[in-house]
Amino acid sequence: DQQVKQNSPSLSVQEGRISILNCDYTNSMFDYFLWYKKYPAEGPTFLISISSIKDKNEDGRFTVFLNKSAKHLSLHIVPSQPGDSAVYFCAASNSGGSNYKLTFGKGTLLTVNP
Amino acid sequence: SQTIHQWPATLVQPVGSPLSLECTVEGTSNPNLYWYRQAAGRGLQLLFYSVGIGQISSEVPQNLSASRPQDRQFILSSKKLLLSDSGFYLCAWSVVLGNTIYFGEGSWLTVV
Repeated sequence: DQQVKQNSPSLSVQEGRISILNCDYTNSMFDYFLWYKKYPAEGPTFLISISSIKDKNEDGRFTVFLNKSAKHLSLHIVPSQPGDSAVYFCAASNSGGSNYKLTFGKGTLLTVNP
Repeated sequence: SQTIHQWPATLVQPVGSPLSLECTVEGTSNPNLYWYRQAAGRGLQLLFYSVGIGQISSEVPQNLSASRPQDRQFILSSKKLLLSDSGFYLCAWSVVLGNTIYFGEGSWLTVV
């Protein structure tokens, strides 16, 4: 039972354009959402998070949007840079519940072409 | 600032041999500690987490075990490795359970 889904295994964009990475979840108890970036053979790096009380959070070139009714979140990277090429993982948790773990999607490989 | 370090970075072990991966966190007290595994083509799977010394919760039945002998030390072990134990193992820590976690560099394990 995959509670966090990243349906696009890969995405390719041109440098300078917008990258939009999508994530869907099924557990309505999730109230905290995160995005991580991972380079090959390295640990994931925390990028940005959003609580369910918000619908948008912005940090520099990265913006996360949350649509609770659709159980959908997205990560926008503007403008995209070649150094953004990596695997991006979406994660979710029920921060106030008894199941404390972060549930991760399977990741989307972003390639930004110069 | 907080840092997390795990070792060894790469490991090639024969089937049936033991395993020990070690992780330490610096710059924080009483962190929550985690072991994740990323198998080829798959997402990040939580294996164990710990909220304190000697307190280990296992998420999935498996051939592995974890221990926390000190506040900022987390160890992943196996007595006899299986081929299916191959993967990329990640140690992580957090201040609050269910909140942002921070990962180590990862350890590649190949069981041959």
